Amino acid sequence: KQEVTQIPAALSVPEGENLVLNCSFTDSAIYNLQWFRQDPGKGLTSLLLIQSSQREQTSGRLNASLDKSSGRSTLYIAASQPGDSATYLCAVGGGSEKLVFGKGTKLTVNP
Amino acid sequence: DAGVIQSPRHEVTEMGQEVTLRCKPISGHNSLFWYRQTMMRGLELLIYFNNNVPIDDSGMPEDRFSAKMPNASFSTLKIQPSEPRDSAVYFCASSPVGTTTDTQYFGPGTRLTVL
Repeated sequence: KQEVTQIPAALSVPEGENLVLNCSFTDSAIYNLQWFRQDPGKGLTSLLLIQSSQREQTSGRLNASLDKSSGRSTLYIAASQPGDSATYLCAVGGGSEKLVFGKGTKLTVNP
Repeated sequence: DAGVIQSPRHEVTEMGQEVTLRCKPISGHNSLFWYRQTMMRGLELLIYFNNNVPIDDSGMPEDRFSAKMPNASFSTLKIQPSEPRDSAVYFCASSPVGTTTDTQYFGPGTRLTVL
């Protein structure tokens, strides 16, 4: 059974800092991995999707990497801003199987 | 596009009552997903439909839960009878392709409180 873990559960940084969020999964036989953002009281917004054949994806100040063999992914946020404050969730897909989500990392960027 | 629409946004009910949550997916999307989010268990997939047909309902916790998708633009999740442990945020999501693992678009959720 696939399990997804995100550490730390919460992170607080000053504005402008570069930061890394971590995601690990137990079964390396994945189809893809996604990073989502969740703002309080709102649904999830997909940020980046990495197919199993890819090593990384970039969107603006965000860069996500995937290392299937070690069961790890990282989300790198450059030059963080207060507007980046949210909960970031990692989700792993196994083809026809369900998306399995981590419990998220709550990020606070302080002005 | 208005995105995925869920109603109601908040629901407070008493134990034993029937609860119906509603979802309108994004037009043209052919997959629809129901999730439940709690602090303890995080986000869990309850059931998903493809072209209005239920594909995987193994996440539905008990027979008290049922979901329908009578057409491509509407789905319901019903809990009967409701219990306090059903209190959670329920999300609906839709996707333009036919598997669970392509990008999904989430609604704002329904916060359910069962007293």
